[in-house]
Amino acid sequence: GENVEQHPSTLSVQEGDSAVIKCTYSDSASNYFPWYKQELGKRPQLIIDIRSNVGEKKDQRIAVTLNKTAKHFSLHITETQPEDSAVYFCAAKGNQFYFGTGTSLTVIP
Amino acid sequence: DSGVTQTPKHLITATGQRVTLRCSPRSGDLSVYWYQQSLDQGLQFLIQYYNGEERAKGNILERFSAQQFPDLHSELNLSSLELGDSALYFCASSVAGQGPEQYFGPGTRLTVT
Repeated sequence: GENVEQHPSTLSVQEGDSAVIKCTYSDSASNYFPWYKQELGKRPQLIIDIRSNVGEKKDQRIAVTLNKTAKHFSLHITETQPEDSAVYFCAAKGNQFYFGTGTSLTVIP
Repeated sequence: DSGVTQTPKHLITATGQRVTLRCSPRSGDLSVYWYQQSLDQGLQFLIQYYNGEERAKGNILERFSAQQFPDLHSELNLSSLELGDSALYFCASSVAGQGPEQYFGPGTRLTVT
């Protein structure tokens, strides 16, 4: 089956700096790669996604890049704000969703 | 609000007991997924139903079972509960069996004492 690895597990950045979270996957049949933000005790919320026929997608301060050849995808958050502090999960979907283990992002004011 | 509802929000029960968690998908969504999230852990996929039929199975224990009813709501049954079953249980729904975007409900926090 699919194996999704996510790094780093924790990340601290100063407010205004950029944050990058990286994920790798193993199954070349995976064709959809969403990112979720989860605040403590709350539901995961879809923040951005990318399909395998696209290399990059941007939505305001958030962008995702996909390298199908290398089987990795990344989340980029620019101009970070304290409200960006949360746990971020990547996922890869082939026949089912496989989630990474999460990155706890702390934005220091 | 994602449009996915889950009941109850919290559940406290004893070891050995059986509980049922309920999920109503977004209007029009045919597919329901169940996930388990233990403390400080990631999301473990349990099972997926599409229009009443099991579509995919993940790391679901034999003590756990699920079903999706004709009105598309789904129930996750957990039996012979153990302390280690304490977790947040999320359901998510998507439009079609292979439709990628899935939206999560608020979760049910299960505490087994």
